[in-house]
Amino acid sequence: GQNIDQPTEMTATEGAIVQINCTYQTSGFNGLFWYQQHAGEAPTFLSYNVLDGLEEKGRFSSFLSRSKGYSYLLLKELQMKDSASYLCAVRDSDYKLSFGAGTTVTVRA
Amino acid sequence: IAGITQAPTSQILAAGRRMTLRCTQDMRHNAMYWYRQDLGLGLRLIHYSNTAGTTGKGEVPDGYSVSRANTDDFPLTLASAVPSQTSVYFCASSQGIAAYNEQFFGPGTRLTVL
Repeated sequence: GQNIDQPTEMTATEGAIVQINCTYQTSGFNGLFWYQQHAGEAPTFLSYNVLDGLEEKGRFSSFLSRSKGYSYLLLKELQMKDSASYLCAVRDSDYKLSFGAGTTVTVRA
Repeated sequence: IAGITQAPTSQILAAGRRMTLRCTQDMRHNAMYWYRQDLGLGLRLIHYSNTAGTTGKGEVPDGYSVSRANTDDFPLTLASAVPSQTSVYFCASSQGIAAYNEQFFGPGTRLTVL
């Protein structure tokens, strides 16, 4: 089976930086995705990493280390609207996505 | 507006009843998926279809069936609902099954089985 771990909850202050870690053990690896999900809404795509290193997209960055089975999502200049769940998902050797349980980020004023 | 629609938005169902959750996409995506999302467990794949006419089982397929008669529609059927099928169900689609293809999610169906 797939094993994807991420913290359950994180709290940060508006304007600050938060790093959400994700570790994985999966049958094969064909990329790692991060999704954002606001309460009561559908997940929406944030980032995709398949090679080691950092991918930057505005205030959000995602890092991958395949040898360590590790990724993080970095949220900079936090805004109240960033309060949401962040889902780490790994595409396995069968090209199916396995999701972690998600990290709920609460941004406080 | 292009995207994925799901119906119904929510439903309360008596145990033992048959129910079909509908999913339609207008992006001409080849691959479609059904997930259930439960608190603390994250999204789990129920069934998938890589292209019209083909389907496959995901992580938690028992008690569910799907069909893919055409590109746009991917209905999920619960033949005889049980309380453990109470969940939020998300349909998703992607252009293909290539590694970089992101999945787009529908708004979800909240199902309660009593």
